[in-house]
Amino acid sequence: KNQVEQSPQSLIILEGKNCTLQCNYTVSPFSNLRWYKQDTGRGPVSLTIMTFSENTKSNGRYTATLDADTKQSSLHITASQLSDSASYICVVSAGDSNYQLIWGAGTKLIIKP
Amino acid sequence: GAVVSQHPSRVICKSGTSVKIECRSLDFQATTMFWYRQFPKQSLMLMATSNEGSKATYEQGVEKDKFLINHASLTLSTLTVTSAHPEDSSFYICSARYPLQEGPTDTQYFGPGTRLTVL
Repeated sequence: KNQVEQSPQSLIILEGKNCTLQCNYTVSPFSNLRWYKQDTGRGPVSLTIMTFSENTKSNGRYTATLDADTKQSSLHITASQLSDSASYICVVSAGDSNYQLIWGAGTKLIIKP
Repeated sequence: GAVVSQHPSRVICKSGTSVKIECRSLDFQATTMFWYRQFPKQSLMLMATSNEGSKATYEQGVEKDKFLINHASLTLSTLTVTSAHPEDSSFYICSARYPLQEGPTDTQYFGPGTRLTVL
C-alpha cells in the first residue's frame, strides 16, 4: 500500500533555531517527492520537488534531502522565523500513469519568540 | 508565481441546501484542476480530477452525484456540494496544473481554500 509517514506530528522551537522534519514513504513506483508549506486556513505552497536522481535541493532557508534507497526524506529549516509556523507536508508522486500524489499527514511546526 | 483563487473563502449553510465553490486560475490556463478535501488535523484528500471539456474523474468513495464538478473553461472549475449535510463540513481546496506540464513533475498551484460549515 502506498503510504507517506511524517514525524514528528508537531514540533515547537524557539525563533532562530534550526529544525529537521522527517518523511518516510512506501510508494512504488516512485516518481518524485515534494515538500509543501501550508499556513492555517490556506492552501499549500510548494517548497521543493525532487526526482529520483536528486538527493538535495534548497529553497532559501529550506533544504530538502532525499535518500531513494532508504525511502526517506528530510526538510531542514535554518534560522527559523515566526513566519515559518505552519504545517509542512511531504507528498510523493507515484510513477503510475495518473501521477497520483500520496499525501503525508504533515508536521505542525510552531515557532515561539 | 501563478495565482489560483477560490470563492467564497467561507460559507455557512443549512442542511439540505446546495453550495457552489469556484476555483479560478487567474494568470494561466489550466486544462486540469484538482479538488481536495481536508478535515481538521488531517492532510489533503484528493476528491476528483477535473478536465476542461470532459467529465471529472472521481476518487474511490467520492459520490459524483453529491459533489458535482464542472470545468467549463480553461480558467474556471466549480464544485457543487448538493444536499449538504453536517458531515460535509470541511476545508475544500482546489489546485490547477500549470499548462504543458502534464507529467510526473507537474507544477500545481493551490487555491486558498473554502471553509464549508453545514448546520
